[in-house]
Amino acid sequence: EDQVTQSPEALRLQEGESSSLNCSYTVSGLRGLFWYRQDPGKGPEFLFTLYSAGEEKEKERLKATLTKKESFLHITAPKPEDSATYLCAVQGGSNYKLTFGKGTLLTVNP
Amino acid sequence: GAVVSQHPSWVICKSGTSVKIECRSLDFQATTMFWYRQFPKQSLMLMATSNEGSKATYEQGVEKDKFLINHASLTLSTLTVTSAHPEDSSFYICSTGQRDNEQFFGPGTRLTVL
Repeated sequence: EDQVTQSPEALRLQEGESSSLNCSYTVSGLRGLFWYRQDPGKGPEFLFTLYSAGEEKEKERLKATLTKKESFLHITAPKPEDSATYLCAVQGGSNYKLTFGKGTLLTVNP
Repeated sequence: GAVVSQHPSWVICKSGTSVKIECRSLDFQATTMFWYRQFPKQSLMLMATSNEGSKATYEQGVEKDKFLINHASLTLSTLTVTSAHPEDSSFYICSTGQRDNEQFFGPGTRLTVL
Protein backbone atom coordinates (compact mmCIF):
# COMPACT_ATOMS: atom_id res chain seq x y z
CA GLU A 1 0.00 0.00 0.00
CA ASP A 2 1.32 3.43 -0.94
CA GLN A 3 2.12 5.72 1.99
CA VAL A 4 2.98 9.41 2.29
CA THR A 5 4.21 11.15 5.43
CA GLN A 6 4.67 14.90 5.54
CA SER A 7 6.63 16.89 8.11
CA PRO A 8 6.36 19.10 9.94
CA GLU A 9 2.60 19.19 10.47
CA ALA A 10 2.77 22.94 10.92
CA LEU A 11 5.46 25.52 10.29
CA ARG A 12 5.55 29.19 11.21
CA LEU A 13 8.02 31.44 9.42
CA GLN A 14 8.77 35.10 9.40
CA GLU A 15 8.55 36.81 6.04
CA GLY A 16 11.83 36.25 4.22
CA GLU A 17 12.83 33.24 6.36
CA SER A 18 13.55 30.35 3.97
CA SER A 19 12.76 26.74 4.92
CA SER A 20 11.87 23.30 3.56
CA LEU A 21 8.93 20.95 3.83
CA ASN A 22 9.48 17.20 3.72
CA CYS A 23 7.48 14.43 2.06
CA SER A 24 8.58 10.84 2.69
CA TYR A 25 6.95 8.14 0.63
CA THR A 26 6.73 4.45 -0.11
CA VAL A 27 5.16 3.38 -3.37
CA SER A 28 5.19 0.44 -5.69
CA GLY A 29 6.45 1.73 -9.00
CA LEU A 30 6.42 5.52 -8.74
CA ARG A 31 4.67 7.14 -11.69
CA GLY A 32 4.83 10.62 -10.22
CA LEU A 33 5.08 12.72 -7.05
CA PHE A 34 2.86 15.76 -6.86
CA TRP A 35 2.83 18.92 -4.80
CA TYR A 36 -0.36 20.89 -4.31
CA ARG A 37 -1.25 24.03 -2.42
CA GLN A 38 -4.59 24.15 -0.60
CA ASP A 39 -6.14 27.29 0.84
CA PRO A 40 -8.84 26.98 3.53
CA GLY A 41 -12.17 25.84 2.10
CA LYS A 42 -10.75 25.40 -1.40
CA GLY A 43 -9.69 22.52 -3.58
CA PRO A 44 -5.98 21.72 -4.07
CA GLU A 45 -4.09 23.84 -6.61
CA PHE A 46 -1.49 21.99 -8.68
CA LEU A 47 2.13 23.09 -8.20
CA PHE A 48 4.58 20.45 -9.46
CA THR A 49 4.98 16.94 -10.74
CA LEU A 50 8.28 15.09 -10.27
CA TYR A 51 8.88 11.79 -12.04
CA SER A 52 12.36 10.55 -11.21
CA ALA A 53 15.04 10.87 -8.54
CA GLY A 54 17.25 13.89 -9.06
CA GLU A 55 14.56 15.91 -10.78
CA GLU A 56 13.98 19.49 -9.66
CA LYS A 57 11.31 22.03 -10.58
CA GLU A 58 10.90 25.68 -9.68
CA LYS A 59 8.07 28.15 -9.63
CA GLU A 60 8.57 31.61 -8.21
CA ARG A 61 9.71 31.14 -4.58
CA LEU A 62 9.10 27.38 -4.60
CA LYS A 63 11.48 24.60 -5.60
CA ALA A 64 10.65 20.90 -5.44
CA THR A 65 13.24 18.13 -5.40
CA LEU A 66 12.94 14.35 -5.45
CA THR A 67 14.99 11.41 -4.21
CA LYS A 68 14.08 7.72 -4.17
CA LYS A 69 12.54 8.04 -0.70
CA GLU A 70 11.50 11.64 -0.22
CA SER A 71 10.75 15.00 -1.74
CA PHE A 72 11.42 18.47 -0.44
CA LEU A 73 9.56 21.67 -1.13
CA HIS A 74 11.96 24.54 -0.57
CA ILE A 75 10.47 27.96 0.05
CA THR A 76 12.84 30.86 -0.49
CA ALA A 77 12.12 34.24 1.10
CA PRO A 78 8.45 33.45 1.71
CA LYS A 79 5.75 36.09 1.77
CA PRO A 80 2.50 36.10 3.80
CA GLU A 81 0.57 35.11 0.66
CA ASP A 82 2.48 31.82 0.65
CA SER A 83 0.55 30.83 3.77
CA ALA A 84 -1.45 27.67 2.96
CA THR A 85 -1.44 23.93 3.45
CA TYR A 86 0.99 22.17 1.15
CA LEU A 87 0.02 18.66 0.14
CA CYS A 88 2.22 15.93 -1.25
CA ALA A 89 0.81 12.97 -3.17
CA VAL A 90 2.22 9.95 -4.97
CA GLN A 91 0.91 7.98 -7.89
CA GLY A 92 1.99 4.41 -8.48
CA GLY A 93 0.87 1.36 -10.31
CA SER A 94 -1.23 1.31 -13.42
CA ASN A 95 -3.98 3.80 -12.64
CA TYR A 96 -4.33 7.48 -11.81
CA LYS A 97 -4.96 7.02 -8.08
CA LEU A 98 -3.25 9.59 -5.87
CA THR A 99 -2.29 8.88 -2.26
CA PHE A 100 -2.01 12.06 -0.23
CA GLY A 101 -0.16 13.00 2.91
CA LYS A 102 -1.86 15.02 5.63
CA GLY A 103 -0.12 18.19 4.55
CA THR A 104 2.01 20.88 6.15
CA LEU A 105 0.24 24.02 7.32
CA LEU A 106 2.56 26.90 6.52
CA THR A 107 2.03 30.29 8.15
CA VAL A 108 4.20 33.21 7.08
CA ASN A 109 4.05 36.19 9.38
CA PRO A 110 4.74 39.69 8.04
CA GLY B 1 -4.40 22.86 -16.53
CA ALA B 2 -7.95 21.60 -16.68
CA VAL B 3 -10.66 23.80 -15.20
CA VAL B 4 -13.05 21.92 -12.92
CA SER B 5 -16.17 23.30 -11.29
CA GLN B 6 -18.41 21.90 -8.56
CA HIS B 7 -21.95 22.69 -7.56
CA PRO B 8 -23.06 23.47 -4.97
CA SER B 9 -20.11 24.94 -3.09
CA TRP B 10 -21.85 24.21 0.18
CA VAL B 11 -25.02 22.44 1.25
CA ILE B 12 -26.83 21.86 4.52
CA CYS B 13 -29.38 19.06 4.72
CA LYS B 14 -31.39 17.12 7.25
CA SER B 15 -30.42 13.63 8.30
CA GLY B 16 -32.01 11.00 6.07
CA THR B 17 -32.21 13.13 2.94
CA SER B 18 -30.16 12.72 -0.24
CA VAL B 19 -27.78 15.28 -1.69
CA LYS B 20 -26.39 15.47 -5.23
CA ILE B 21 -23.05 17.12 -5.98
CA GLU B 22 -22.07 17.95 -9.56
CA CYS B 23 -18.54 18.03 -10.94
CA ARG B 24 -17.95 19.57 -14.36
CA SER B 25 -14.83 19.58 -16.50
CA LEU B 26 -15.12 22.91 -18.31
CA ASP B 27 -12.33 22.70 -20.87
CA PHE B 28 -11.37 19.06 -21.02
CA GLN B 29 -13.15 15.89 -22.03
CA ALA B 30 -12.78 13.79 -18.93
CA THR B 31 -13.15 10.07 -19.42
CA THR B 32 -12.08 9.64 -15.81
CA MET B 33 -12.96 11.73 -12.76
CA PHE B 34 -12.13 11.11 -9.14
CA TRP B 35 -14.09 11.79 -5.99
CA TYR B 36 -12.28 12.56 -2.73
CA ARG B 37 -13.42 13.28 0.80
CA GLN B 38 -11.50 15.40 3.28
CA PHE B 39 -12.20 15.60 7.00
CA PRO B 40 -10.80 18.52 9.05
CA LYS B 41 -7.02 18.37 9.39
CA GLN B 42 -6.95 15.09 7.47
CA SER B 43 -5.61 14.19 4.07
CA LEU B 44 -7.72 13.78 0.96
CA MET B 45 -9.03 10.24 0.76
CA LEU B 46 -10.03 8.80 -2.60
CA MET B 47 -13.59 7.50 -2.50
CA ALA B 48 -14.10 6.33 -6.05
CA THR B 49 -12.98 6.57 -9.64
CA SER B 50 -15.72 7.60 -12.04
CA ASN B 51 -15.51 6.32 -15.61
CA GLU B 52 -17.59 7.82 -18.42
CA GLY B 53 -20.19 5.37 -19.62
CA SER B 54 -19.39 2.64 -17.13
CA LYS B 55 -19.68 1.83 -13.45
CA ALA B 56 -17.55 3.62 -10.91
CA THR B 57 -14.78 1.85 -9.04
CA TYR B 58 -15.04 2.32 -5.28
CA GLU B 59 -12.19 2.24 -2.76
CA GLN B 60 -12.23 -0.28 0.02
CA GLY B 61 -14.57 0.75 2.82
CA VAL B 62 -16.68 3.11 0.71
CA GLU B 63 -20.33 2.04 0.44
CA LYS B 64 -21.30 2.11 -3.22
CA ASP B 65 -25.01 2.02 -2.38
CA LYS B 66 -24.64 5.09 -0.19
CA PHE B 67 -22.41 7.14 -2.48
CA LEU B 68 -23.92 6.87 -5.95
CA ILE B 69 -21.74 8.04 -8.81
CA ASN B 70 -22.93 8.76 -12.32
CA HIS B 71 -20.62 9.79 -15.18
CA ALA B 72 -22.98 10.05 -18.10
CA SER B 73 -20.96 12.49 -20.23
CA LEU B 74 -17.37 13.55 -20.80
CA THR B 75 -17.94 16.78 -18.89
CA LEU B 76 -20.15 15.80 -15.97
CA SER B 77 -19.91 13.42 -13.04
CA THR B 78 -22.31 13.45 -10.10
CA LEU B 79 -22.01 12.12 -6.57
CA THR B 80 -25.23 11.48 -4.66
CA VAL B 81 -25.02 10.95 -0.93
CA THR B 82 -28.09 8.90 -0.11
CA SER B 83 -29.77 8.92 3.30
CA ALA B 84 -27.15 11.29 4.62
CA HIS B 85 -26.18 11.20 8.29
CA PRO B 86 -24.11 13.63 10.39
CA GLU B 87 -21.02 11.42 9.99
CA ASP B 88 -21.19 12.08 6.23
CA SER B 89 -20.51 15.76 6.87
CA SER B 90 -17.26 16.49 5.09
CA PHE B 91 -15.56 18.35 2.25
CA TYR B 92 -16.10 16.54 -1.05
CA ILE B 93 -13.72 17.30 -3.91
CA CYS B 94 -13.60 15.98 -7.46
CA SER B 95 -10.70 15.94 -9.86
CA THR B 96 -9.88 15.05 -13.41
CA GLY B 97 -6.67 14.19 -15.20
CA GLN B 98 -4.96 15.82 -18.13
CA ARG B 99 -1.57 15.37 -19.73
CA ASP B 100 0.51 12.54 -18.35
CA ASN B 101 -0.62 11.95 -14.81
CA GLU B 102 -1.56 15.35 -13.40
CA GLN B 103 -4.92 15.75 -11.68
CA PHE B 104 -6.72 19.06 -11.41
CA PHE B 105 -9.20 19.61 -8.63
CA GLY B 106 -12.51 21.36 -8.30
CA PRO B 107 -13.17 23.93 -5.58
CA GLY B 108 -14.91 21.41 -3.34
CA THR B 109 -18.36 21.08 -1.77
CA ARG B 110 -18.88 21.45 1.96
CA LEU B 111 -21.65 19.11 3.13
CA THR B 112 -23.19 19.56 6.56
CA VAL B 113 -25.81 17.05 7.68
CA LEU B 114 -27.92 18.12 10.64
